[in-house]
Parts: sequence; C-alpha cells; structure tokens
Amino acid sequence: DQQVKQNSPSLSVQEGRISILNCDYTNSMFDYFLWYKKYPAEGPTFLISISSIKDKNEDGRFTVFLNKSAKHLSLHIVPSQPGDSAVYFCAASERDDKIIFGKGTRLHILP
Amino acid sequence: GAGVSQSPSNKVTEKGKDVELRCDPISGHTALYWYRQSLGQGLEFLIYFQGNSAPDKSGLPSDRFSAERTGGSVSTLTIQRTQQEDSAVYLCASSSILKAFFGQGTRLTVV
Repeated sequence: DQQVKQNSPSLSVQEGRISILNCDYTNSMFDYFLWYKKYPAEGPTFLISISSIKDKNEDGRFTVFLNKSAKHLSLHIVPSQPGDSAVYFCAASERDDKIIFGKGTRLHILP
Repeated sequence: GAGVSQSPSNKVTEKGKDVELRCDPISGHTALYWYRQSLGQGLEFLIYFQGNSAPDKSGLPSDRFSAERTGGSVSTLTIQRTQQEDSAVYLCASSSILKAFFGQGTRLTVV
C-alpha cells in the first residue's frame, strides 16, 4: 500500500521547456514533503522541500507546489537543462517519523 | 567524513552465500534507513532505525534479511543465503530532522 505515489515512471521534455513531475500521497498526516534527484551510480541527493504550512517553495529553477486538499504535490523545473536528466523521487513524512519515498520518475531532457 | 559512507561499493557473491553491507551514517543523526533499488525499479524501503526505538522492519522482503545498528551509529545489513533476485543497489540514508542524506550505495550482484 503505497502512501506516496509517482504515477509516471518516465517523462521526456524538450530542453528549455518546463518539466512538471507529479506526486500524490494518501496520508493526510504528512506535514513535510521533499524531492530528491538521483543520477546513475550515485545515491539520491536532496533537491527541495516544502512544509505543509506553505503551498509553494521556490529555489532557482526549481519550484515545488503543494495542494493539501488534493493531497498532491508537483515539482516544476524551468527552463529544463540536459543536466536535469535523472530520476526524481518524491518523499513525505510526519513530524519525527520516517520519510517515505515514491518509486521515482525518470526525466529525460531532449536536445 | 561528512557524508554517509557505505561499504563495499560493489560486491559480487555466489548464490547461497551470506553477505554483510555496512553503513556509517552522519555523526549525530538519529535516524537510519536501508533501501534497495533493483534494475529499472524505484526505491524499495527495507528497514528504519530511529534512536532507541524498536526498528521498523516492515519492508524486509524475507527472513533472510536482517539489520542491526550498534551504539546508535554504524549499521549492518545482512542477507543470508543470497538469491539472484537479491541483486540490487542497496542504499543507506541517515537523517536528523526532516531531511535524509544518502550514501553512494552498495551494488550487490549474486551470480
């Protein structure tokens, strides 16, 4: 029973365009959400996070949006660059409890 | 070091042998996770340690898998009587508050 779901296993986006990665969750008690990025042969690295008291957090080209009523969050990357090609993991946690990860979405940035 | 360290980085073992994978978390981090990523698959949760609490073993796929965390620091994941389906990258992460940091992983190949 997945509490964090990334329904798109892969996504292809033209370089320079916006990449939108989606994530849904089922546990309404989650109050902190994170995105991680993973290159082949490396461990995942933290990208951006958002607390449930916010609906948007921006860091450079990366913006995370949170819709609590829909239990949905998304990661926007604009403009997309070749180095953004990676697997992106959505994650969520309740305060002081374990972080639960989605299965990931593989993003391909096309030249 | 400053990050999560895993050893060995690569391990090839014969089917039926036991293996031990080691994780050195970031000093002071109270939480430690083990995940695995099989070829083409997402992150599969295995086990979670938080302080002195009983570990959450709900993700361990069979009783051939076990893990311990000594002194609240170093953790060892043991796989007994390895099978070919155990071949994967095993990732360890540690966290303090709300953010997990991953090691580079151990690539296990069972032949």
